[in-house]
Amino acid sequence: QVQLVESGGGVVQPGRSLRLSCAASGFTFNNYAIHWVRQAPGKGLEWVAVISYDGNNKYYADSVKGRFTISRDNSKNTLYLQLNSLTGEDTAVYYCARPFKDYSISSEQDFDYWGQGALVTVSS
Amino acid sequence: QVVLTQAPSASASLGASVKLTCTLSSGHSSYAIAWHQQQPEKGPRYLIKLNSDGSHRKGDGIPDRFSGSSSGAERYLTISSLQSEDEADYYCQTWGTGFVVFGGGTKLTVL
Repeated sequence: QVQLVESGGGVVQPGRSLRLSCAASGFTFNNYAIHWVRQAPGKGLEWVAVISYDGNNKYYADSVKGRFTISRDNSKNTLYLQLNSLTGEDTAVYYCARPFKDYSISSEQDFDYWGQGALVTVSS
Repeated sequence: QVVLTQAPSASASLGASVKLTCTLSSGHSSYAIAWHQQQPEKGPRYLIKLNSDGSHRKGDGIPDRFSGSSSGAERYLTISSLQSEDEADYYCQTWGTGFVVFGGGTKLTVL
């Protein structure tokens, strides 16, 4: 069965960095774009970034552009999110999510599988 | 940029039906959307994808009690025979090249 497992969350001071990982299994990882979505405490879902199946195309939300970097290692079936210059507004649970359509970064990007999330707390 | 609008809250009685609405912003009525459920302290779960023509695709294992429909710029999620575990936040989602947008979510209370 499809599984996405995030790791790497924790407490980090403002201005510091953190790297999240998302380990995928149960499907052909290198056929799918993968997204990051976050949820601040008590708030709604906010899309963060997406990377294409081959890693050649990446898009970011304006709120994280220039500070966060999405990447993937298809040999390890793992997605990453490098979070730099963190502020309190980045405190959230971070989810990785797989879209329905393979080989696409634009069509049928409804998220049919989600991870359980990793909590990032930015605090001094 | 497309915007999705949802009512912040809804309520219905145990065993009854409820219809949640997600409204696409002006000029974006052709967009497909997806509905996700988030129970308290859990991650989101995919429910259904809805196209503008009303065709849909449901997630694996989603009960028949969950159904969707479309009319113009509105996308609906209907939950029938409400159960206590349906008390959750419901989010709609849409997408395009290089972006994904979520509605603000509707908190459903089962009375």
